[in-house]
Amino acid sequence: GQQVMQIPQYQHVQEGEDFTTYCNSSTTLSNIQWYKQRPGGHPVFLIQLVKSGEVKKQKRLTFQFGEAKKNSSLHITATQTTDVGTYFCAGTSGGYQKVTFGIGTKLQVIP
Amino acid sequence: GAVVSQHPSWVICKSGTSVKIECRSLDFQATTMFWYRQFPKQSLMLMATSNEGSKATYEQGVEKDKFLINHASLTLSTLTVTSAHPEDSSFYICSASVPGLAGGIQETQYFGPGTRLLVL
Repeated sequence: GQQVMQIPQYQHVQEGEDFTTYCNSSTTLSNIQWYKQRPGGHPVFLIQLVKSGEVKKQKRLTFQFGEAKKNSSLHITATQTTDVGTYFCAGTSGGYQKVTFGIGTKLQVIP
Repeated sequence: GAVVSQHPSWVICKSGTSVKIECRSLDFQATTMFWYRQFPKQSLMLMATSNEGSKATYEQGVEKDKFLINHASLTLSTLTVTSAHPEDSSFYICSASVPGLAGGIQETQYFGPGTRLLVL
């Protein structure tokens, strides 16, 4: 079945440093979505990427979708303490459009 | 827009009882709703996909007789954990699917706040 691998599982950064999390799918995806989950909260939709090679930016966040539509990354520039949380990617594939979540990357930002 | 509510937000019950969780899309009609469970420090695991007016599709390993899903309308889906046991204790999250709301051609999911279930 479809697998979505996400690395790293944990990341501690000093405030102001950059951060990147990567997702790799075992199958070609029709789209990939990114979510942020604050401690104790529920996942909040950040963005969806659909096109091969697509790059989207949201302020300090940059999202990329690979050319083969099997990998994606989320990069945060100059992290802030408000960036703390777990970032999940979720890939959609197959005729049934099943969504598979990565394990998530837990980001800690040290002030 | 695209608000999804879930009720209750937490529940504690005795082993052997049944628990019903409601998921509502408040300001839109959801073509599809999904039910997930999340164990501590783990990712979301899809349990089942629910389409209004039809039977839910369960993921492999999820007992459909234990986790009853009813999707009576385009704004309401319910998950009933029947004869709950301590191993069913988890964080249950629903999401509702809205086509194209995020500007993409594929559907986007919006999550409810989740229900924490503790079975004693």
